[in-house]
Amino acid sequence: DGGITQSPKYLFRKEGQNVTLSCEQNLNHDAMYWYRQDPGQGLRLIYYSQIVNDFQKGDIAEGYSVSREKKESFPLTVTSAQKNPTAFYLCASRTKARNTEAFFGQGTRLTVV
Amino acid sequence: AQSVTQPDIHITVSEGASLELRCNYSYGATPYLFWYVQSPGQGLQLLLKYFSGDTLVQGIKGFEAEFKRSQSSFNLRKPSVHWSDAAEYFCAVVPGYSSASKIIFGSGTRLSIRP
Repeated sequence: DGGITQSPKYLFRKEGQNVTLSCEQNLNHDAMYWYRQDPGQGLRLIYYSQIVNDFQKGDIAEGYSVSREKKESFPLTVTSAQKNPTAFYLCASRTKARNTEAFFGQGTRLTVV
Repeated sequence: AQSVTQPDIHITVSEGASLELRCNYSYGATPYLFWYVQSPGQGLQLLLKYFSGDTLVQGIKGFEAEFKRSQSSFNLRKPSVHWSDAAEYFCAVVPGYSSASKIIFGSGTRLSIRP
């Protein structure tokens, strides 16, 4: 089945540690996105990538990093510089055409203690 | 600034009653418009989308939405809600200019259903 997979579903880390969230898609989509979701704030864009080896900062990129070495994969690293990393993280992908919807993974809930 | 506004944070309706969730956007060109639904702890599922043509679009689960250019709105409606419709609903926009690739989301409306 085609889809977008995020792993793990739950992640716990100690404060000060970097952590990497996985996002893989087999939909042959060119564009991939990372969003952060906090209660009452909707989805805020962290980073997005329209093509392999290229990515752009979203609205809240500080404290995060990404890579896009393969079309299928767009991992997100939450660094120790992120002041408040505990949140629900959603990955999405879509084709390059603007008139197409995004497909979402099931999310990763990160808790930093 | 470009934005998507969902003015209602939380709405409660009785089961069987009609529903309308509001969405307004602020882009010059006609954007591409979407409504998504999210159950707690889950990803987002597409309900419906509007790109062009008929301004009333039908989606899954009995939902529909109407694009009104004059009001910059794309409100979501359902004639009769079911308890399973309780969820969070997000309006989203892809701006209509050529270089756009970002998807901009509203802050969401949480829907509760009264038995």
